Amino acid sequence: QLQLQESGPGLVKPSETLSLTCIVSGGSIGSGSYYWGWLRQPPGKGLEWIGSFSYSGTTYYNPSLKSRVTISADMSNRQLSLKLTSVTAADSAVYFCAYRLRFFAFDPWGQGILVTVSS
Amino acid sequence: DIQMTQSPSSVSASVGDRVTITCRASQGISEYLVWFQQIPGKAPQSLIYAASTLQSGVPSRFSGSGSGTDFTLTISSLQPEDFATYYCQQYNSYPLTFGGGTKVEMK
Repeated sequence: QLQLQESGPGLVKPSETLSLTCIVSGGSIGSGSYYWGWLRQPPGKGLEWIGSFSYSGTTYYNPSLKSRVTISADMSNRQLSLKLTSVTAADSAVYFCAYRLRFFAFDPWGQGILVTVSS
Repeated sequence: DIQMTQSPSSVSASVGDRVTITCRASQGISEYLVWFQQIPGKAPQSLIYAASTLQSGVPSRFSGSGSGTDFTLTISSLQPEDFATYYCQQYNSYPLTFGGGTKVEMK
């Protein structure tokens, strides 16, 4: 069974770049149509999809973040990465990585990592 | 973008109650809808995908219905472990979007 674990700095300064890694362990990624995703949740608020990286190498980004986001994957090393540039306090959130098969829900998710943007 | 509107935003209920949460999409999404449950401090867990298919391991007291723009999540008999926040999410088209959430609280 796949397990996902986010890692990275818990504190980022305004205007800098937030960089997170998601380590994938256990189980089989699958040979079909699958997607990796990054999502976030500001404290006390709802969920927001940031973007996805597909089995074919295609990336999909939320238009609200597209100019600042880069998602990449290195499945030979079972790692997914997220970079978000020019961060502000509004980017403070718990960031999750997740996996889904096409036509299915995001499952599993990582436990999430709290990132605070503050000087 | 497809807007997902959940109602109510919160509901107070007792153990054994039947609870119904609705989710409306701003345009048709066929049956490309997921329901998640989130307990504070934890990652969301999927309950139902394709609008009405129960995720493996999810108790049968959870059920989903709907297609097009209107969807429903029903908990037939609320259990203590069901007090949580529930989200719908559409995966008909990008960007993937979530409803605002429904918090199920103890009465």
